[in-house]
Amino acid sequence: DGGITQSPKYLFRKEGQNVTLSCEQNLNHDAMYWYRQDPGQGLRLIYYSQIVNDFQKGDIAEGYSVSREKKESFPLTVTSAQKNPTAFYLCASRNRLTPASTDTQYFGPGTRLTVL
Amino acid sequence: AQSVTQPDIHITVSEGASLELRCNYSYGATPYLFWYVQSPGQGLQLLLKYFSGDTLVQGIKGFEAEFKRSQSSFNLRKPSVHWSDAAEYFCAVGMNTGFQKLVFGTGTRLLVSP
Repeated sequence: DGGITQSPKYLFRKEGQNVTLSCEQNLNHDAMYWYRQDPGQGLRLIYYSQIVNDFQKGDIAEGYSVSREKKESFPLTVTSAQKNPTAFYLCASRNRLTPASTDTQYFGPGTRLTVL
Repeated sequence: AQSVTQPDIHITVSEGASLELRCNYSYGATPYLFWYVQSPGQGLQLLLKYFSGDTLVQGIKGFEAEFKRSQSSFNLRKPSVHWSDAAEYFCAVGMNTGFQKLVFGTGTRLLVSP
């Protein structure tokens, strides 16, 4: 089955700890994205990557970091600098070779992070 | 700045009744518009998208949406709602910035009553 997997589904973190959320895709997509979802606020872009070894900040990158060492993987680290990390995190991917104006982002099932 | 407004936070519809979810956008250029659906605790699934051409777009699960440039709207419709349609619905506008930035509305939660 082709798709996007995110793990874990639920993650609990103590204040002051860094945690890493996994995102893997086997769609052969070049572009990958991380979004944060809070109740009543829709989705907001954290980071995106268009190719391996390259990534860019989105609208709310402070307190987060990413890496893109492999095409299939785009892990997100929530650092202790993120003041309010409790949220639902969604990963998405897109075929970059298709014009951005005509293609679709496909989403993973999400990871719910709770800070204790 | 680009924005998307979904004015209804919650909507309750009786099973079998028709549905319309509202979406208004603000974007200076030609918009690329999407509707996604999200079941509780799940990711987003694409229902339909508009890029150009026919302003009435058909999607999956019997949904359709109509792009009205004069009203800056992209309302989602379904003629007969099923209980399984209960979910949260997000409208998004895509900008052709090269990496396809999506700006999402805050969502409308659909409740279906028996």
